[in-house]
Amino acid sequence: AQRVTQPEKLLSVFKGAPVELKCNYSYSGSPELFWYVQYSRQRLQLLLRHISRESIKGFTADLNKGETSFHLKKPFAQEEDSAMYYCALFTHYGGSQGNLIFGKGTKLSVKP
Amino acid sequence: EAQVTQNPRYLITVTGKKLTVTCSQNMNHEYMSWYRQDPGLGLRQIYYSMNVEVTDKGDVPEGYKVSRKEKRNFPLILESPSPNQTSLYFCASSLGANSPLHFGNGTRLTVT
Repeated sequence: AQRVTQPEKLLSVFKGAPVELKCNYSYSGSPELFWYVQYSRQRLQLLLRHISRESIKGFTADLNKGETSFHLKKPFAQEEDSAMYYCALFTHYGGSQGNLIFGKGTKLSVKP
Repeated sequence: EAQVTQNPRYLITVTGKKLTVTCSQNMNHEYMSWYRQDPGLGLRQIYYSMNVEVTDKGDVPEGYKVSRKEKRNFPLILESPSPNQTSLYFCASSLGANSPLHFGNGTRLTVT
């Protein structure tokens, strides 16, 4: 069955420390993965997607098919990174059809 | 301006009184989806739609109905709301499920 697992509900780090938000997936097809972020009192928004292989706000995420992971990393956390982070997996039905399933999310708290 | 509009933003109602939360997008998106967000449970999908007249259940469809009679609108209907449906609801849309999702501002529903 398709599944996205984010093992940490809460991750607390100090400003300037490295951050790694874990995401593991279970999917039999070729995965397409995303990270979404929700800042306080704001709507969810896309942070990055693995096919873009880009860095957004200093965050990167590499798809590791062997470990079925798509961990989100940032070398030096900032207080403004405090937010709720969701990992999401596109499950493909056929053609362009499919569905996006989300993990339960990890709340990142960056302390001064 | 491209956007997903949900109404109302806040709603307090009583058990058993039918209600509808509207969702409209002006981007000609094919894919639309409803989620509820609860503390500790993250984002859970209620229903989604891949196109007009095509809807499917998500993780937590019980107690909810949806319809997709036209591309831009995807209302969420609670025929007989109960207190366990008190939550923050988000509507989202995208070109396809593997395209970046655009989220609405959310509807905070309280059922007493």
